[in-house]
Amino acid sequence: DAEITQSPRHKITETGRQVTLACHQTWNHNNMFWYRQDLGHGLRLIHYSYGVQDTNKGEVSDGYSVSRSNTEDLPLTLESAASSQTSVYFCASNLAGKGGHNEQFFGPGTRLTVL
Amino acid sequence: GQNIDQPTEMTATEGAIVQINCTYQTSGFNGLFWYQQHAGEAPTFLSYNVLDGLEEKGRFSSFLSRSKGYSYLLLKELQMKDSASYLCAAMDSNYQLIWGAGTKLIIKP
Repeated sequence: DAEITQSPRHKITETGRQVTLACHQTWNHNNMFWYRQDLGHGLRLIHYSYGVQDTNKGEVSDGYSVSRSNTEDLPLTLESAASSQTSVYFCASNLAGKGGHNEQFFGPGTRLTVL
Repeated sequence: GQNIDQPTEMTATEGAIVQINCTYQTSGFNGLFWYQQHAGEAPTFLSYNVLDGLEEKGRFSSFLSRSKGYSYLLLKELQMKDSASYLCAAMDSNYQLIWGAGTKLIIKP
């Protein structure tokens, strides 16, 4: 069965360290997204990609970067982790094509704590 | 600015009906999504509305009024497993999803 996975599921790191969160999907979806979810806030878009070699900034992109070298993976890198980046991170994907009934499928999430 | 409003928390009784409201303001509009999220889990898709009216899918129905910027999710014959957060998201003119903070639904026996 097709799926979307994230690793690690839990991560504790220190301020200033570089951290990479992995996202892998076997849906063969062109579109992939990274969100963060914090109490009292809706899901907030960090970065997204519409295909290989395409990346775009979302609402809260400062301090984060992504790269898309193949269809299946969109790793999220925190260049220098800050305590404000403590959050739950979700990766999602959906079919190519803008709009329409293209619901996003979410990975299980990564809980990141920055001390 | 773009904004989604939904109640923070609601309580209902097993077997009853509950309506979760959502109002939205977006730059352009390309549809309204509802997702369910159990504690500690990923959001899962429930419904999508782009035209005015009611869409029924089993025990769950979703309604949209584009002129009022308003949607609701109706859950019938509530079961304990329906205890979860319900997320409303509107798609803007750039086909990006703007998410509400979610409504935590507590079901009591």
